[in-house]
Formats: sequence, C-alpha cells, structure tokens
Amino acid sequence: AQRVTQPEKLLSVFKGAPVELKCNYSYSGSPELFWYVQYSRQRLQLLLRHISRESIKGFTADLNKGETSFHLKKPFAQEEDSAMYYCALRNAGNMLTFGGGTRLMVKP
Amino acid sequence: ETGVTQTPRHLVMGMTNKKSLKCEQHLGHNAMYWYKQSAKKPLELMFVYSLEERVENNSVPSRFSPECPNSSHLFLHLHTLQPEDSALYLCASSPRGGALGSGELFFGEGSRLTVL
Repeated sequence: AQRVTQPEKLLSVFKGAPVELKCNYSYSGSPELFWYVQYSRQRLQLLLRHISRESIKGFTADLNKGETSFHLKKPFAQEEDSAMYYCALRNAGNMLTFGGGTRLMVKP
Repeated sequence: ETGVTQTPRHLVMGMTNKKSLKCEQHLGHNAMYWYKQSAKKPLELMFVYSLEERVENNSVPSRFSPECPNSSHLFLHLHTLQPEDSALYLCASSPRGGALGSGELFFGEGSRLTVL
C-alpha cells in the first residue's frame, strides 16, 4: 500500500522568508511525485512534477528516495503563494494518492 | 464553457433522498474521476472511468453509484446516504485512461454535499 504524509497542516511564514512544505511517502515501487495547489476560490491544479525537474513560480521539489521525501521549497515566499498544497504519488497502476494537504500562509 | 464543470455546487439532502451529482468536461479527455474531500481526511479516490469503463472502485459503499454515459459526462448517484458522507465531491479528468500520461488531473470546483 502507498501512503503520502504531509506532517504540517498549517505553515505560516513572513513574506520574503524561505518556505519548505514537507512531504513523505511510502511506496514499494518506483514512485512518481507531484505537487498540486489550490488557491483561494480556485480549483485544485497541478503545480509541478518531479520527473520534469522544473521550477514553477519559484518552487522546486527534489525527490529523495533515501529519505522517501519530496519536499516543496521556495527561497523567498510571496503573499500570492498563500494556498493549500497537496503532495501526490502516482503508483504503477497510474492512480494518484494525495496527502492531507498543508495550508501555507504568507504574512506581509 | 471550458474545463471541468460540476453541478450542483451545493446540495443538501436527507438520508432517504435520492440525488445525483453531475460532472462535465470539455477538454477532450477520456478518463474521469470522483474524489471525496472530507474536512479531516486526505483526498480519497472513489471511482475512475477510462473510456467510459470503470477501472477503479476503491471499496466505496454501494449507496454511491457512478455512471459514465460518455467520455464527457460523469454522474454520481446518491441514495440513502449517511451524515458522515457530507463532504466536498470533486470530479477530475485526464487525457488518458489508466495511464495518466503526464500525471496531471484537471479538477472541477466540487459539489459540497450536506446530508442531514
């Protein structure tokens, strides 16, 4: 069975501070990890995927298989980054399992 | 309208009622999903349809009955629900069926269900 854990339900930082949203997973196979985001009054949408190794809106995430983690990072948080962030894992059967989500609040 | 559209946005029903949630996508995708989002639980996958055939049930109680008449429409029929079924029900679509392709799901805004 697979599981995605986001240990922090709420993360509050000041504008300009670094931010790291934690994600840990358990899965016996080779995982594919994703981060989804939901801004206020908007629908859930894909932010980035680990296989692309891309930076979206200044966010990056590195898959660490040794630590089974896929933490989302941004060096300088902006107020518009305030949202719910969900980590997700795709298994060999191509089904997505989501973590419980972390609400990021960026204070001015 | 483009994207994934869900109706109704809000629904209140009694435990003996029968109601349906509707999802429509205009993205040309051929896989559609129902997720349940409760206040204290992660997003839970309920059903997956690929090319109008159900490929994942995920042990959902029979009081939830999905229907996918074509690749653009997905329904969730509700019957004799319980108060603990109150949640936000999200519909999503993706470009390919069992293989999600890029892994990107396109979500609707959800239907907020309250069971009294």
